[in-house]
Amino acid sequence: QKEVEQDPGPLSVPEGAIVSLNCTYSNSAFQYFMWYRQYSRKGPELLMYTYSSGNKEDGRFTAQVDKSSKYISLFIRDSQPSDSATYLCAMSAQGGSEKLVFGKGTKLTVNP
Amino acid sequence: DAGITQSPRHKVTETGTPVTLRCHQTENHRYMYWYRQDPGHGLRLIHYSYGVKDTDKGEVSDGYSVSRSKTEDFLLTLESATSSQTSVYFCAISEGQGSYSPLHFGNGTRLTVT
Repeated sequence: QKEVEQDPGPLSVPEGAIVSLNCTYSNSAFQYFMWYRQYSRKGPELLMYTYSSGNKEDGRFTAQVDKSSKYISLFIRDSQPSDSATYLCAMSAQGGSEKLVFGKGTKLTVNP
Repeated sequence: DAGITQSPRHKVTETGTPVTLRCHQTENHRYMYWYRQDPGHGLRLIHYSYGVKDTDKGEVSDGYSVSRSKTEDFLLTLESATSSQTSVYFCAISEGQGSYSPLHFGNGTRLTVT
């Protein structure tokens, strides 16, 4: 079983839809959880960061962590064409960035 | 782009030739990383540096070496390029390590080994 599993999609939704992106993981020691957004031909950029369990909201984006189920989610409300990108989850058991484990990414297209 | 410049942005080279990729940062961050990104594998860490002349191996370091003689520059060298090293290479930086510091990525170097 891979440490981090992420459905690669692609996922296509109409503008204004609520998008749910998910990752599952196997290492119960993971406690730092991140979502990165990567536009085509660009480097990933940090979107959301959560420590341990719970929810975090930032504008139209909400990150959820369910450690009991080893499951993290990113919700995008009122999705826009500019949200079209690949979304990568990443996580680690401790704070060192060299320990980050990335998901393979989910490609999202929001259609006008 | 968090003050990170990768060069070259694109390169085509032949099997067996040496290749050096450069990462330059203007943020004066201590930590620098080299990743490769491949379909079906995602981002994988090649090498990282925690200071001038201080480097360590990542998950996929075989066939790669790095050097960091100045805070702002981190070089990745493929001593003898192979077709399996065709990939997109990303440099990343972070400010700290003890408590989590997010990674900031450059825009990548697309390398093709023929």
